[in-house]
Amino acid sequence: DAKTTQPNSMESNEEEPVHLPCNHSTISGTDYIHWYRQLPSQGPEYVIHGLTSNVNNRMASLAIAEDRKSSTLILHRATLRDAAVYYCILRARLAGGTSYGKLTFGQGTILTVHP
Amino acid sequence: DVKVTQSSRYLVKRTGEKVFLECVQDMDHENMFWYRQDPGLGLRLIYFSYDVKMKEKGDIPEGYSVSREKKERFSLILESASTNQTSMYLCASSMIRVNTEAFFGQGTRLTVV
Repeated sequence: DAKTTQPNSMESNEEEPVHLPCNHSTISGTDYIHWYRQLPSQGPEYVIHGLTSNVNNRMASLAIAEDRKSSTLILHRATLRDAAVYYCILRARLAGGTSYGKLTFGQGTILTVHP
Repeated sequence: DVKVTQSSRYLVKRTGEKVFLECVQDMDHENMFWYRQDPGLGLRLIYFSYDVKMKEKGDIPEGYSVSREKKERFSLILESASTNQTSMYLCASSMIRVNTEAFFGQGTRLTVV
């Protein structure tokens, strides 16, 4: 399975943009890039996902490099509630099919937001 | 509101006991997952199931087994609990199509003494 590499930790100030990088140099053509975050004492929650094109939703934006070997999660204006562990995940296809199955997490990036 | 429910938030068991962790989802999802989370190690996949009675090993299946007899329920079994299985266990579910998210339960903190 393709792996992801993220910085262990990052810091930001409130109301500033945050760019969380992820390297996935062994990504295959059918792997989707997913981002989840885990707030303290909670299970992970979905943030965003994409395949090739950049994606936006109400929580964040996902910028995917043209060669797909890296991606960046962008929080446009960090708030104290965004302090969490952010996970970049590659979701692979089930063998022999067109469906997608398991999510394999890495260690994630601990984001600290300062007031 | 979508829900993944784990049967216990906190559990204390003795070494050598057989332990069952139960997870139920109400979203008719095909995929279900069991993870364990330890400080400094992130979330590690133990087992994954994409259909009733179907399972795949994750990264750390040793010492664990699973059961999925019904679509909505996925059980993690520790045949003989050991202290190194003290951890936070998280269950998740998702549809099998790629453009859907996974939903997680709140976790079970298992302590083996």
